[in-house]
Amino acid sequence: DVKVTQSSRYLVKRTGEKVFLECVQDMDHENMFWYRQDPGLGLRLIYFSYDVKMKEKGDIPEGYSVSREKKERFSLILESASTNQTSMYLCASSLNRGGQPQHFGDGTRLSIL
Amino acid sequence: RKEVEQDPGPFNVPEGATVAFNCTYSNSASQSFFWYRQDCRKEPKLLMSVYSSGNEDGRFTAQLNRASQYISLLIRDSKLSDSATYLCVVRRGGDKLIFGTGTRLQVFP
Repeated sequence: DVKVTQSSRYLVKRTGEKVFLECVQDMDHENMFWYRQDPGLGLRLIYFSYDVKMKEKGDIPEGYSVSREKKERFSLILESASTNQTSMYLCASSLNRGGQPQHFGDGTRLSIL
Repeated sequence: RKEVEQDPGPFNVPEGATVAFNCTYSNSASQSFFWYRQDCRKEPKLLMSVYSSGNEDGRFTAQLNRASQYISLLIRDSKLSDSATYLCVVRRGGDKLIFGTGTRLQVFP
């Protein structure tokens, strides 16, 4: 069974802080994704990666960056957190390019004060 | 206009009822279609893929109408455990998925 693990379930940070959200998958998946989910807006794609050291912008990349130094780990970075980045963040992975279903982690509920 | 649109509900139905959800998508180049289920405060989980010929998985039936750009999910003999939000999901191209905002189902005894 696919396991996608996000480092924190709940996180509270202050405006202007640099925030790291970590995600690890244990199934040797090539693709990894970061989404945020907000009421009335659904899931929106922030960044994704098809391979180590590769990254591509999703629909809402502003204010975020990512890092994929190892295949199993995909990190989301908020360079200078702002209150409008308070949200539920979800990491997902899929096997390879070809439209495979995505498997999600439990999510990190991030609050920026 | 959103790329994937769903009625947010909630749909309140008694146990044993049949309920149907609809979804429309705007990009005619969309390639794959899925229904995900999301329980309250949990992550989305794949319920089923949707194929052009329609497909069934137990009490769940999914249909796709490419001409009308319309996807449906039918749940027969509803159980209390079916209470959740159902997300319509479309693959636009590559491996990028577009999620609808979900339809909430509440099954009552």
